[in-house]
Amino acid sequence: DIHMTQSPSSLSASVGDRVTITCRASQSINNYLNWYQQKPGKAPKLLIYGVSTLQSGVPSRFSGSGSGTDFSLTISSLQPEDFATYYCQQSYSAPPYTFGQGTKLEIK
Amino acid sequence: EVQLVESGGGLVQPGGSLRLSCAASGLTFSSHWMHWVRQAPGKGLVWVSRINSDGSSTGYADSVKGRFTISRDSAKNTLYLEMNSLRAEDTALYYCARGSQDFWSGMYYFDYWGQGTLVTVSS
Repeated sequence: DIHMTQSPSSLSASVGDRVTITCRASQSINNYLNWYQQKPGKAPKLLIYGVSTLQSGVPSRFSGSGSGTDFSLTISSLQPEDFATYYCQQSYSAPPYTFGQGTKLEIK
Repeated sequence: EVQLVESGGGLVQPGGSLRLSCAASGLTFSSHWMHWVRQAPGKGLVWVSRINSDGSSTGYADSVKGRFTISRDSAKNTLYLEMNSLRAEDTALYYCARGSQDFWSGMYYFDYWGQGTLVTVSS
């Protein structure tokens, strides 16, 4: 199975900051990499698929990059509604469709 | 309005059984693979199971293989998860999610999620 590792596990930042979350796969996943946002008490929401394609309705301050085994999610200017937990997921070698352990983004 | 609504969760003793349902409305159900994903309290997302569009192919996480069975009824637009021999470590919020594939790139992702149904396994 492919293992996904996110870093950091938690991150404190301020409104307006630029933040980057990284995700590493245990082997190449051929860009089958997705990012989800989850707010407390809510279901996960798809943000980005295929490394860098924004899901419809997702603000352009979110962007994704990377290739092979190393990927990142960047929020260019944090907004209050962006404080949440973010998960990466691989869909290349599945099942299982493995998720990273999550990165909790908190207000500084 | 797009909706996936899970039901059937509850408190069950170790070794017991539950059947979860996920009713779909406002979205295309029958032509999509469907998934179950769970989240233990305070923990991350863990993929559990998937079923293809016509129900002929299924897949499971090793942790539930042989105990859980996924199925679907396209006439009722409903996804199911039959859970047997439940263990304390199965305690979680169970989400159903729709899988979709981008026509151009072939990339696969979960684009719609329900709000989840809570399963608690405890004596």
